[in-house]
Amino acid sequence: AQKVTQAQTEISVVEKEDVTLDCVYETRDTTYYLFWYKQPPSGELVFLIRRNSFDEQNEISGRYSWNFQKSTSSFNFTITASQVVDSAVYFCALSEAKGGTSYGKLTFGQGTILTVHP
Amino acid sequence: ETGVTQTPRHLVMGMTNKKSLKCEQHLGHNAMYWYKQSAKKPLELMFVYNFKEQTENNSVPSRFSPECPNSSHLFLHLHTLQPEDSALYLCASSQDLPGGGETQYFGPGTRLLVL
Repeated sequence: AQKVTQAQTEISVVEKEDVTLDCVYETRDTTYYLFWYKQPPSGELVFLIRRNSFDEQNEISGRYSWNFQKSTSSFNFTITASQVVDSAVYFCALSEAKGGTSYGKLTFGQGTILTVHP
Repeated sequence: ETGVTQTPRHLVMGMTNKKSLKCEQHLGHNAMYWYKQSAKKPLELMFVYNFKEQTENNSVPSRFSPECPNSSHLFLHLHTLQPEDSALYLCASSQDLPGGGETQYFGPGTRLLVL
């Protein structure tokens, strides 16, 4: 069975600090997909990134960057120079390829509450 | 309207009431989902519809009844709910891919309070 662990329940930083949100996953499949979503106070989950298991290149998008390491089954998310608007709950999620036991379902971690203070 | 919309955004109901949540996606997707998000639990998948056919029912109590009349609309009919059903109900849609791994796009959710 697939599992996603976000060990950090809450993180509090001051604006302009860099912050890394950890995500560790478990899966038996060799083909799988990893996601990050942001949930601001309004409630909607906003899609941030999708990576497949064959692409280990790190990705940068503005102040956001992601570090995917298959050797440690981790897919960490870093926000550089954090801003108050980054305050939200961040979810890491895993989807196995269809044909496996999970039929492509998304499994979410518990989420990390990030608070950025001015 | 763009993306995924949900109505109502907030709902308060008594345990004997009957109400329905509505979700509409404007993305041309063919799969839709209902999730429940409670305060102290991770997101729980409730139902999946693929091309209007229900493909997943995660042991959800019968007081929750989904309906998917077409690939753009999804309803969740509620009746005789319990206080523990109070939660944020999120709808999502995706374009089904043969190999899986499709990205799900979420609506803003309906915050439900059962008294």
